[in-house]
Amino acid sequence: QVQLQESGPGLVKPSQTLSLTCTVSGGSISSGSYYWSWIRQPAGKGLEWIGRIYTSGSTNYNPSLKSRVTISVDTSKNQFSLKLSSVTAADTAVYYCAREVTMIASEAFDIWGQGTMVTVSS
Amino acid sequence: DIQMTQSPSSLSASVGDRVTITCQASQDISNYLNWYQQKPGKAPKLLIYDASNLETGVPSRFSGSGSGTDFTFTISSLQPEDIATYYCQQYDNLPRTFGQGTKVEIK
Repeated sequence: QVQLQESGPGLVKPSQTLSLTCTVSGGSISSGSYYWSWIRQPAGKGLEWIGRIYTSGSTNYNPSLKSRVTISVDTSKNQFSLKLSSVTAADTAVYYCAREVTMIASEAFDIWGQGTMVTVSS
Repeated sequence: DIQMTQSPSSLSASVGDRVTITCQASQDISNYLNWYQQKPGKAPKLLIYDASNLETGVPSRFSGSGSGTDFTFTISSLQPEDIATYYCQQYDNLPRTFGQGTKVEIK
């Protein structure tokens, strides 16, 4: 079955760019009707949707982060990536990649990575 | 953005109790609502989609109902393994938004 795995630095300095990659295994990132998403969760807090990419390359971003976020896909590596620029301590969180399945009249995050903790600190 | 408001923020119940969580959307979202379970240190898990459809493999003690702006999530008989935080999430509009979560504990 499809599995997702996040990877990237666990520590990023303020003002720098956070970069994470999500590797999809057990299936092709190009097959099916799926959006590939990033979601984050500060410690002890709720879930915040960052954005998503379709395998065509079309993207949607949370307006609250849009000016700093880029999500891209590399179908040859079966991966998609997140870049978040100009980070501050407020960007410290567990970052999840997730698959959003689109069915006839519904959409849901049905598969999640285990999450990766990213701390912004000098 | 569509605001999702869950209540209560936390609850404590005994094994075997019926547990109910509500989720209110700031505007009509039809039945475009999902429920997730998150255990400590783990990723969220999809339990209910389309407000009332049980995801494959999820025990039948979990259920959901509602449409429009008001939704309910129920555990018919609380089990020790249900200790978790539960989130509602709307997919009527972008950005996707989640409720603040309801932490369920055993009394």
